[in-house]
Amino acid sequence: DAGVIQSPRHEVTEMGQEVTLRCKPISGHDYLFWYRQTMMRGLELLIYFNNNVPIDDSGMPEDRFSAKMPNASFSTLKIQPSEPRDSAVYFCASSRQKVEQYFGPGTRLTVT
Amino acid sequence: EDQVTQSPEALRLQEGESSSLNCSYTVSGLRGLFWYRQDPGKGPEFLFTLYSAGEEKEKERLKATLTKKESFLHITAPKPEDSATYLCAVHIAGFKTIFGAGTRLFVKA
Repeated sequence: DAGVIQSPRHEVTEMGQEVTLRCKPISGHDYLFWYRQTMMRGLELLIYFNNNVPIDDSGMPEDRFSAKMPNASFSTLKIQPSEPRDSAVYFCASSRQKVEQYFGPGTRLTVT
Repeated sequence: EDQVTQSPEALRLQEGESSSLNCSYTVSGLRGLFWYRQDPGKGPEFLFTLYSAGEEKEKERLKATLTKKESFLHITAPKPEDSATYLCAVHIAGFKTIFGAGTRLFVKA
């Protein structure tokens, strides 16, 4: 299995621009998670989906953040407009039922 | 407030020098405790799941244990390749996941 795939691996953008991060979970997994990791705050859960349906988005920091999962093999996390404080590494993870999560390699976002 | 605290923040060991990492938690409705390993520039890699006090899991030089308030990750005779950040995470009601800040382990040959 290829594992969780994320793209792009690195993204540099200017403040105010729209950013879209993409994730392909492991086939057969029914849970998908989006996390953000920074030195200051560590790893934070932003939102998770079960069978493509958003279950808990209480970790999404602001309305500028949105996530979708149109089908079982694809999810996006969008930031519009982006701000410098959004700079972080964003991870996608998937799991089968309520067990261990498998993480992707992450997208390093830099907003200047 | 649900909280996960890991200690120490960093640990430096000589190769072969055994030690333990600690993860203490204050949460309501623990559904499971997980240990992950994270190498620089990579995503966390799953190591263990523990569900109830008294449970133990082992993998190579690592052993994880769980009590009602904390978990330990014991590292026996570590090697330089064990150097990484070790993260503890708890699943609580509603399948919310809370991660600790991690312990950075350095093993010198």
